[in-house]
Amino acid sequence: DIQMTQSPSSLSAFVGNRVTITCRASQDISNSLAWYQQKPGKAPKLLLYAASRLDTWVPSRFSGSASGTDYILTITSLQPEDFATYYCQQYYSSPLTFGGGTKLEIK
Amino acid sequence: EVQLVESGGGLVQPGGSLRLSCAASGFTFSNYWMHWVRQAPGKGLVWVSRIKSDGRGTDYADSVKGRFTISRDNAKNTLYLQMNSLRAEDTAAYYCASPGAPYNSGWVDYWGQGTQVTVSP
Repeated sequence: DIQMTQSPSSLSAFVGNRVTITCRASQDISNSLAWYQQKPGKAPKLLLYAASRLDTWVPSRFSGSASGTDYILTITSLQPEDFATYYCQQYYSSPLTFGGGTKLEIK
Repeated sequence: EVQLVESGGGLVQPGGSLRLSCAASGFTFSNYWMHWVRQAPGKGLVWVSRIKSDGRGTDYADSVKGRFTISRDNAKNTLYLQMNSLRAEDTAAYYCASPGAPYNSGWVDYWGQGTQVTVSP
């Protein structure tokens, strides 16, 4: 099974800051990676797929990139509505697996 | 508008069984893979299972393999998860989820509101 190691597990930042969240895959997943945002008490929402493609509702301050088996979610100029928990998910092979999550909090 | 509405959750004793349902609308259900994802209280997302659009292919997480069975009725636009030999660690909110494009078996675009399963004596 492919393990997805997400870091950091939590992060505090100010509105307007730039933050990065990383997911490391235990093997090559060939950009078969999605990112989700979840707010308390709500279902997750898709942010990006294929490592770097934004879903239609997602503002351009979100971006995704890859370097080897590391996948990075970057949020530039944090907005109040961006404070949430973020998860990565690989869909390269079954069983599909999620990272452990990153809780992004307001500083 | 895509709607996914789960039902069937509840309180069950260890070793018991439960069947979850997910009623889908707003898209051509029979063309889409479907997934179940769960989330224990205060914990992260865990993928549980997926089923191919025609019902002829299924995959499971190791933690549920042999105990859970995913199925679908394309005539009723309904997804199911039969859960047997339930354990305390199966306690979670269970989400039904679908991709936004036909034949996509990977990421999911749409999620239901979740149904809570609690396994306790």
